[in-house]
Amino acid sequence: NAGVTQTPKFRVLKTGQSMTLLCAQDMNHEYMYWYRQDPGMGLRLIHYSVGEGTTAKGEVPDGYNVSRLKKQNFLLGLESAAPSQTSVYFCASSYGRKNYGYTFGSGTRLTVV
Amino acid sequence: TQLLEQSPQFLSIQEGENLTVYCNSSSVFSSLQWYRQEPGEGPVLLVTVVTGGEVKKLKRLTFQFGDARKDSSLHITAAQPGDTGLYLCAAHRNSGNTPLVFGKGTRLSVIA
Repeated sequence: NAGVTQTPKFRVLKTGQSMTLLCAQDMNHEYMYWYRQDPGMGLRLIHYSVGEGTTAKGEVPDGYNVSRLKKQNFLLGLESAAPSQTSVYFCASSYGRKNYGYTFGSGTRLTVV
Repeated sequence: TQLLEQSPQFLSIQEGENLTVYCNSSSVFSSLQWYRQEPGEGPVLLVTVVTGGEVKKLKRLTFQFGDARKDSSLHITAAQPGDTGLYLCAAHRNSGNTPLVFGKGTRLSVIA
């Protein structure tokens, strides 16, 4: 039972480059989320999805785009990476909206130079 | 404004000691969750508390939800090195209609 799988685990980008982070879950969860974690800032929500084909903005959406074409996958894109996007990115999923625990992936450590 | 304030930020104790960490807010929540995160991994759910005054136990960990549902505490009895990690509390804004918001966490180090 894999749970939530994130790829890649590590990546170094040059300023201005683009990339896509992939999140896949095998628990048939309806809800999926992208957070970033920075020292002193905690986990902050970037975008989320309440079902296949839907996306919504979180607390820090600027510079990111997302897509949820299949229920099990949630993609996070950086069109033109900036050093401020250096962070650890976590994907999570949940069965329901309220009072359900989130299952997190193990993260993608991204460095933008 | 931080929705959830966690204290202390850092805690370093000897194996066998007891400790309590806190999660406070001025808002009322329908529920609150606690997670533990180990280095290089994502957070893992420990417990969800729903009722004001509720106490839940998970082996040596005791979680309490405040009577007014604005705060919560996590007490660890006889801490072990395996308890080392970042403890995060989380709750929903707006009565659960939005995703979880997380506190900044308490980083616990248990020294053998």
